[in-house]
Amino acid sequence: AQSVTQLDSHVSVSEGTPVLLRCNYSSSYSPSLFWYVQHPNKGLQLLLKYTSAATLVKGINGFEAEFKKSETSFHLTKPSAHMSDAAEYFCVVSDRPGGGADGLTFGKGTHLIIQP
Amino acid sequence: GAVVSQHPSRVICKSGTSVKIECRSLDFQATTMFWYRQFPKQSLMLMATSNEGSKATYEQGVEKDKFLINHASLTLSTLTVTSAHPEDSSFYICSAGLPFEDTQYFGPGTRLTVL
Repeated sequence: AQSVTQLDSHVSVSEGTPVLLRCNYSSSYSPSLFWYVQHPNKGLQLLLKYTSAATLVKGINGFEAEFKKSETSFHLTKPSAHMSDAAEYFCVVSDRPGGGADGLTFGKGTHLIIQP
Repeated sequence: GAVVSQHPSRVICKSGTSVKIECRSLDFQATTMFWYRQFPKQSLMLMATSNEGSKATYEQGVEKDKFLINHASLTLSTLTVTSAHPEDSSFYICSAGLPFEDTQYFGPGTRLTVL
């Protein structure tokens, strides 16, 4: 069985300051991990994914995440927040090699607020 | 690459009518697509797995006679909400993945409002 815990339901930062969105997971296997972003009334856009290669993963829009097996974490960071980063962010784990959304487990989401 | 589209983006209908939502993989073929429902300020809930050429697989608690799924081709899956009621109002999202990959690519979603 697998699970995902996004530790913060809301995160508020000032524009230009760093962003940290926390995610912890549990999985019986070597998981793949993803971060998706969802803007209001839009679908989910893939930010980045970890699939057992480099533990530090760089994604789009300046985001990156570090896979830490010892801490079972996959936190999402960005050095400098932009107003356009305001959105909902989902951490997702997959423990099914070869895919299939029925093997995906979604976190509950973190709402990122950017203060001007 | 790996773009998924949905149509319509928004639909408003009267109670008792049926609504069809299309999900298309634009630049790849998908033998399997997935349908989700998302309530306000909540995460995605997987409703069903759409399989090209065979019956869909529904998650527990999802009424298959209510939410009809047809995967007519390798690039198109449709979700029909039959005899819609106000409680069916929601944001419906589909996804598809490339073969042998575990990344899912999501459509932009369809906002259904039943009056």
